[in-house]
Amino acid sequence: IQMTQSPSSLSASVGDRVTITCQASQDISDYLNWYQQKPGRAPKLLIYDASNLATGVPSRFSGSGSGTDFTFSINSLQPEDIATYYCQQYNIPALTFGGGTKVEIK
Amino acid sequence: QVQLVESGGGAVQPGRSLRLSCAASGFTFNIYGMHWVRQAPGKGLEWVAVIWYDGSNKYHADSVKGRFTVSRDNSKNTLYLQMNSLRADDTAVYYCARDRTSAGTTLDYWGQGTLVTVSS
Repeated sequence: IQMTQSPSSLSASVGDRVTITCQASQDISDYLNWYQQKPGRAPKLLIYDASNLATGVPSRFSGSGSGTDFTFSINSLQPEDIATYYCQQYNIPALTFGGGTKVEIK
Repeated sequence: QVQLVESGGGAVQPGRSLRLSCAASGFTFNIYGMHWVRQAPGKGLEWVAVIWYDGSNKYHADSVKGRFTVSRDNSKNTLYLQMNSLRADDTAVYYCARDRTSAGTTLDYWGQGTLVTVSS
């Protein structure tokens, strides 16, 4: 299963709402997770099963979607949100990641 | 707290072998699936392999199938990745990660990674 993530990069102002999309090449139900990776750091789970916030993750992060089309949003972008974000599907047994979206501050 | 510490990375010539280890602590290792994920320099994340909680099922990405083998020793709380016939395009930071479940769906804790460089 291929995961197409867009855009590959974006620039937004502090306080803006940021939206990233991920499209699966076939129906994956809600088997979709989102991760944040800051430069030089390991990835961190933000959203699991398309819309569930992982433990300790701020509520400005959210996810939605099912089937083939998914959306990840940051409501009110903060300076500490500068990172690359990845979607990941788990139509097991194989997992695949999207290509990533680099988020920068304008 | 959950800790995952990778080791075994380094520089190796093409065609040679390397074994990575991931020491787990802070949780009950033998009830969780475990993964290896890699990231080539400046590139995105690539899932490499998963092994279920008891080692009964293991799956590898097509790019490493037949060359890499994931395994675990639940008595030692340790995950392994045996890498044979290494190629230049295997150069990457290799992360181990815990799954939220006993199988392989969601990577909820990650180690800091170990760098593998394949070059002559």
